[in-house]
Parts: sequence; structure tokens; C-alpha cells
Amino acid sequence: DAKTTQPNSMESNEEEPVHLPCNHSTISGTDYIHWYRQLPSQGPEYVIHGLTSNVNNRMASLAIAEDRKSSTLILHRATLRDAAVYYCIRGSYQLTFGKGTKLSVIP
Amino acid sequence: GAVVSQHPSWVICKSGTSVKIECRSLDFQATTMFWYRQFPKQSLMLMATSNEGSKATYEQGVEKDKFLINHASLTLSTLTVTSAHPEDSSFYICSASPLSGRSTYEQYFGPGTRLTVT
Repeated sequence: DAKTTQPNSMESNEEEPVHLPCNHSTISGTDYIHWYRQLPSQGPEYVIHGLTSNVNNRMASLAIAEDRKSSTLILHRATLRDAAVYYCIRGSYQLTFGKGTKLSVIP
Repeated sequence: GAVVSQHPSWVICKSGTSVKIECRSLDFQATTMFWYRQFPKQSLMLMATSNEGSKATYEQGVEKDKFLINHASLTLSTLTVTSAHPEDSSFYICSASPLSGRSTYEQYFGPGTRLTVT
């Protein structure tokens, strides 16, 4: 049970921002929200994680709803290299992967 | 930083033989390493959690006598698939969490090992 809900797929135009939503309505107080992405035939890549406050790093931003029941991963300017499956995971140090969102980037 | 390697990247073996896969954290120490399996067009499934110097904890449905895990140091964990069968053919991926600090909640994944059992 992945315990998060994400759209199966999304599309974005290159160089435009992308907002990837995730619903985690049953999240507990100690669960972090993690985002990873995976390119075909590669291991997942860490993107970002957060607990309550919004987080920024060089790859993306994570906006967490005030009630923590949902979050949004923001890629500020999509590139072709960002095309991947994005996984939103709630938990601590052990990760349960769901099906994720397959992001396609259109040149 | 935070690089995890796996060896081999792909392996083909005959049914009934054993295969060992190595997972190394190259530039950090990891108390905990994780092993996942991924079948085609499916998501990653956690197989086991491996802590340095102690026995691995296996997920429900994963045979511990078939998938032997050894975590002998803070930078190396191995997964041995014993008496492999065609249904064990899969993409095996390891990950490692840094020893301390905020980044302990970050897992760094290896590139994966493609196992094909003929």
C-alpha cells in the first residue's frame, strides 16, 4: 500500500513549469514527504523531501499543504531530461513506492 | 557526492545457480541499505532492509533463504540470489541512507542490476 495518490501521467512543454500533485490524506505526524524520480532502466534519483514547511533545492521545490494531506512538486523549468516517473512517498526511512506519475516533456 | 554503485550491472545465469550482487556507497557511510526488486512496467518493491553488522529484515513474502543479504561494512552490502529460477529474473536495485544528519531520510540508489535467469 503506497498510501499516496498521484495522476498516472502528465505532460509539460519544455521550459515551462510543472506542478506534480500528490495526495496523502492519511499521513501521520511523523511521516516525511519524499519525492524520487526514475528514468527507464535506472535506479531512482532523490529529488526532495520535507515535513511541514515548503522546501527548495537545486532540482525542485516542494509545496506542502497546511494540513499536510497533499503536496506539490514543482519543477520550475522542465527540460527533456526531466522526463521520468515521479514517485511521491510518505514515510520515514523506509520507502514504499507506488505507481508514480509518468511525466512527458514535449520539445 | 552520495554515489552508490552496483556490480554487476547485468548478469545472465543458468537456472539453479547462484548470483551475487554488490552494492557500495562510494563517498559516504551507510548504516542502512535497502534492496528492491522491480519487474517490467511495475514499481519498486522493497525486499529487505539491511543494517551493518546485523541480520537483514525481510519484507513479507520474500524468502530469506533464497535472497541472502550480507552487510559486512558501512559501505558494502551484498545480495545473493541462491538457486535462481527464471521467475527471479528482474531488476534489482539497492539504496543507502547516510549515517547521520538530516540527510538520513535521503536514500541514494544504485543504478540497478538486471538479472536474467535462463
